[in-house]
Amino acid sequence: EVQLVESGGGLVQPGGSLRLSCATSGFTFSTYWMHWVRQAPGKGLVWVSRVNSDGSSTSYADSVKGRFTISRDNAKNTLYLRMNSLRAEDTAVYYCSRGLYKRPGAFDIWGQGTMVTVSS
Amino acid sequence: QSALTQPASVSGSPGQSITISCTGTSSDVGGYNYVSWYQQHPGKAPKLMIYDVSNRPSGISNRFSGSKSGNTASLTISGLQAEDEADYYCSSYTSSSTLFGGGTKLTVL
Repeated sequence: EVQLVESGGGLVQPGGSLRLSCATSGFTFSTYWMHWVRQAPGKGLVWVSRVNSDGSSTSYADSVKGRFTISRDNAKNTLYLRMNSLRAEDTAVYYCSRGLYKRPGAFDIWGQGTMVTVSS
Repeated sequence: QSALTQPASVSGSPGQSITISCTGTSSDVGGYNYVSWYQQHPGKAPKLMIYDVSNRPSGISNRFSGSKSGNTASLTISGLQAEDEADYYCSSYTSSSTLFGGGTKLTVL
């Protein structure tokens, strides 16, 4: 069974840092692009970042560029999101998602999400 | 990176058909045939319903269909069922990112 399991969320003060992890199983992780998508409470989905299959290329939403870093460890089948200089507006459920194979912009498998709350 | 535009809500009775629109620009929806649609029930992760404008992933009912004209994509759900009540989001690939719509709440009356 294909699974994505996020972890690492929690309560952090403004200006603080967190690292989210997404452990994957049931598919050949190293062949898929991976993404982070977030959803603020009661709001819509917002794409955050993506990394290509070997980790050599990344892309970010303007709102997180320079503060967040996406990475992956293909030996551990795990995706990461390092979040620095956190702001209140970063408060959201963060979903890890798999890019549909060779189909740009579609995400076919999603984790259950991990909540990040930025508050003093 | 502005969000795509969707109606906030739509409704329909069981058995009827509804259509949800998703309007972007020539830099996103109109520029690529890479529009997707997602269904999200409360407290759950999104589920891919349509990709590449009109393709259904395995296991998705043929009651769900997608189309595109110019800068506007559409999701049509025919034969509405109670379990279709959910939030629906469109998304579009761009050269540097993926944009989502603001979401549409579907109510089955």
